[in-house]
Amino acid sequence: SSELTQDPAVSVALGQTVRITCQGDSLRSYYASWYQQKPGQAPVLVIYGKNNRPSGIPDRFSGSSSGNTASLTITGAQAEDEADYYCNSRDSSGNSEVFGGGTKLTVL
Amino acid sequence: QVQLQESGPGLVKPSQTLSLTCTVSGGSISSGSYYWSWIRQPAGKGLEWIGRIYTSGSTNYNPSLKSRVTISVDTSKNQFSLKLSSVTAADTAVYYCARAHSPGIASHWGQGTLVTVSS
Repeated sequence: SSELTQDPAVSVALGQTVRITCQGDSLRSYYASWYQQKPGQAPVLVIYGKNNRPSGIPDRFSGSSSGNTASLTITGAQAEDEADYYCNSRDSSGNSEVFGGGTKLTVL
Repeated sequence: QVQLQESGPGLVKPSQTLSLTCTVSGGSISSGSYYWSWIRQPAGKGLEWIGRIYTSGSTNYNPSLKSRVTISVDTSKNQFSLKLSSVTAADTAVYYCARAHSPGIASHWGQGTLVTVSS
């Protein structure tokens, strides 16, 4: 079982705001990174650290963290945001990494 | 722009060793401070972190795979490699290589390669 827990599926109406969460004890000590994966493609880093976006990632993507929960927020979701989203962080030992189980985002 | 490309056999027999190579282009694998990682994804399932090797040569592995995994670097070929021993059907997956500038922050990924374990 994964040490990072995500809801399997979330949906959002086009143009609305959605938050995808990731829970785990290690998140009390380490930031999560977030990856977007579309069918047949490699994952793409969208958020890392406290709230950092790699070059080319729209500013509608943002990240936050509180206690044992990290969140990825999409403000004004677009049709192209429909994808699987994975959180990643260190495990409880700090020596290795772990991915959450992933959240399938549907844009209605 | 750094690019990564996985290569290796697409079919491996049970109990044998899976060997994959990731070729790095657009930059030297030995320059800078990076974590060179392997991640896999069974069909229809989530991502699983396998392990990483740092520029210094130090390695970290997924505890659940540690006894079977070796990651190494060949600076002369600008490549890093994955070896997974005693494979079973459960090791069938798309295998990705990636470069991270900090643990968990992988900004560059290969396209992935499918490895099927079957006799």
